[in-house]
Amino acid sequence: AQSVTQLDSQVPVFEEAPVELRCNYSSSVSVYLFWYVQYPNQGLQLLLKYLSGSTLVESINGFEAEFNKSQTSFHLRKPSVHISDTAEYFCAVSGRSGNTPLVFGKGTRLSVIA
Amino acid sequence: GAVVSQHPSRVICKSGTSVKIECRSLDFQATTMFWYRQFPKQSLMLMATSNEGSKATYEQGVEKDKFLINHASLTLSTLTVTSAHPEDSSFYICSARSGSPETLHFGNGTRLTVT
Repeated sequence: AQSVTQLDSQVPVFEEAPVELRCNYSSSVSVYLFWYVQYPNQGLQLLLKYLSGSTLVESINGFEAEFNKSQTSFHLRKPSVHISDTAEYFCAVSGRSGNTPLVFGKGTRLSVIA
Repeated sequence: GAVVSQHPSRVICKSGTSVKIECRSLDFQATTMFWYRQFPKQSLMLMATSNEGSKATYEQGVEKDKFLINHASLTLSTLTVTSAHPEDSSFYICSARSGSPETLHFGNGTRLTVT
């Protein structure tokens, strides 16, 4: 079984400042890692994912996350945030074999302040 | 790309009535679909795994007689909330894989409000 810990429930940050949303996972098997974003009253949108290969993955809107196997982490970062980045961010993990569900962290509310 | 359609997006019902939520894979076949529940300002909790042609697998603490899941075809799974109560008010989201393990697609969710 897998589990995900998002250490920060809320992260306020000023516009154009950098941000890091932390995510640690636990698993006895190899995993895939994901970050999803959820805007108010909407469904989930995949932000980025780590499957294999390069440990640094990027999204089209400037976010990046780095898989660190030794620290079992997959922190999400952005060098300069915008007001429009205000949303809930969920880290998720799934096993690589079979048809296993995603297990989500509790989410981090990113609030960008003008 | 692969799409999962969930209907309705919002539903309001009276306490004691039943509500059915549909989850359809539009351009792929899904032998397995997953149902999640999200309380306000909280994370998504897996409720059950829906398997085409067989019984659903429920997570611990989820009442299978209250949350009936039917996966009658390779493109449709339904979740019926029976005898709904206000505490069942929540955001329900389904998901399905279109192929390899990492390709998981989510519906847009259903906001259920029980009055």
